[in-house]
Amino acid sequence: KQEVTQIPAALSVPEGENLVLNCSFTDSAIYNLQWFRQDPGKGLTSLLLIQSSQREQTSGRLNASLDKSSGRSTLYIAASQPGDSATYLCAGDNYGQNFVFGPGTRLSVLP
Amino acid sequence: DTEVTQTPKHLVMGMTNKKSLKCEQHMGHRAMYWYKQKAKKPPELMFVYSYEKLSINESVPSRFSPECPNSSLLNLHLHALQPEDSALYLCASSQFGTDEAFFGQGTRLTVV
Repeated sequence: KQEVTQIPAALSVPEGENLVLNCSFTDSAIYNLQWFRQDPGKGLTSLLLIQSSQREQTSGRLNASLDKSSGRSTLYIAASQPGDSATYLCAGDNYGQNFVFGPGTRLSVLP
Repeated sequence: DTEVTQTPKHLVMGMTNKKSLKCEQHMGHRAMYWYKQKAKKPPELMFVYSYEKLSINESVPSRFSPECPNSSLLNLHLHALQPEDSALYLCASSQFGTDEAFFGQGTRLTVV
């Protein structure tokens, strides 16, 4: 079964900093990897989906990369803002059937 | 429209009650999911429906009973729950198994 880990567990940065969130997965035969954002008590908002044939995806200030050979994905957030404060979850597919989530990184961006 | 709608948003139920959670999507997605999320934990998969048929049941207790009446609707029937079942229940859909998944806002369930 696919296993997903994320580091760091929590991160606090001042506004305007660029930051990187890390995600690792055990099954390198991954089809897709998806990054989500979750605000407290809310559902998940899809940020980026990287398919196995892609190496990265970009949306606004967000850039996600996927390295299947090393079993890693990173989410880069440029020029962070207080509104970026949330928990960020990565999810890797489990043998093409469904997504398995990492434990998340709790991000605080201080004004 | 990338919206998955879940009702109700909040639910408090006694251990002898029967209730249902509802989920609806109009994106034409053929895979629908129920996840359970406890506080400060990641979502855990409960059930997957693919083309309206149950394809994955992650050893969920029988007090949780899923139903997929049609390609747009997903229900989760609840009966004789325990206080430890209190959690955020999330519904999601995707075109197929691991295409981009879209989540609803969840139902916050409290069992008293």
